[in-house]
Amino acid sequence: GQQLNQSPQSMFIQEGEDVSMNCTSSSIFNTWLWYKQDPGEGPVLLIALYKAGELTSNGRLTAQFGITRKDSFLNISASIPSDVGIYFCAGQETGNTPLVFGKGTRLSVIA
Amino acid sequence: GAGVSQSPSNKVTEKGKDVELRCDPISGHTALYWYRQSLGQGLEFLIYFQGNSAPDKSGLPSDRFSAERTGGSVSTLTIQRTQQEDSAVYLCASSIVSGNTIYFGEGSWLTVV
Repeated sequence: GQQLNQSPQSMFIQEGEDVSMNCTSSSIFNTWLWYKQDPGEGPVLLIALYKAGELTSNGRLTAQFGITRKDSFLNISASIPSDVGIYFCAGQETGNTPLVFGKGTRLSVIA
Repeated sequence: GAGVSQSPSNKVTEKGKDVELRCDPISGHTALYWYRQSLGQGLEFLIYFQGNSAPDKSGLPSDRFSAERTGGSVSTLTIQRTQQEDSAVYLCASSIVSGNTIYFGEGSWLTVV
């Protein structure tokens, strides 16, 4: 099935640093989503992107839908301890295809 | 309900037994998804239902796995003759229509011993 390449797999950063992670696909997507998962919880939606080139912010988080429609990135500015968790990208080719997920980026923040 | 509800939240079963996992989507959501997440791994697509259309079963790993959705609402994922490698968190999600943002339940943690 469709695979998304998400990188990096894990990150260890100092509190206050900025973070960047990205996803690429081999095919064109109409939708890109970014989720965060805390231990023992289901993934929670952070940002949804529906248009190529779209740049959307949610507080300290910013995500962009790549112009080629084959990639997306998520930036977190001025990281804080509660940013710790696993971040997943997800994409959908069309409205009739299932949402596919990257393997996640595990973020650790050192105070 | 306010969110996607899954039950049981935890299930320990003996190898070879059948298990049923239930998902109650957000009211009014026509699309329903099942994903599997093994420890420390990403989300693996299993099956997806959209309205009255035939479900997309392309992600089911074997014929021991099946799912149904009755009345366009509640869904049950059934795993027959469970194996240890079936141990994972099974996540259900729903969206208003396919192509819209999907919202996840908290998952059912299955352990096969």
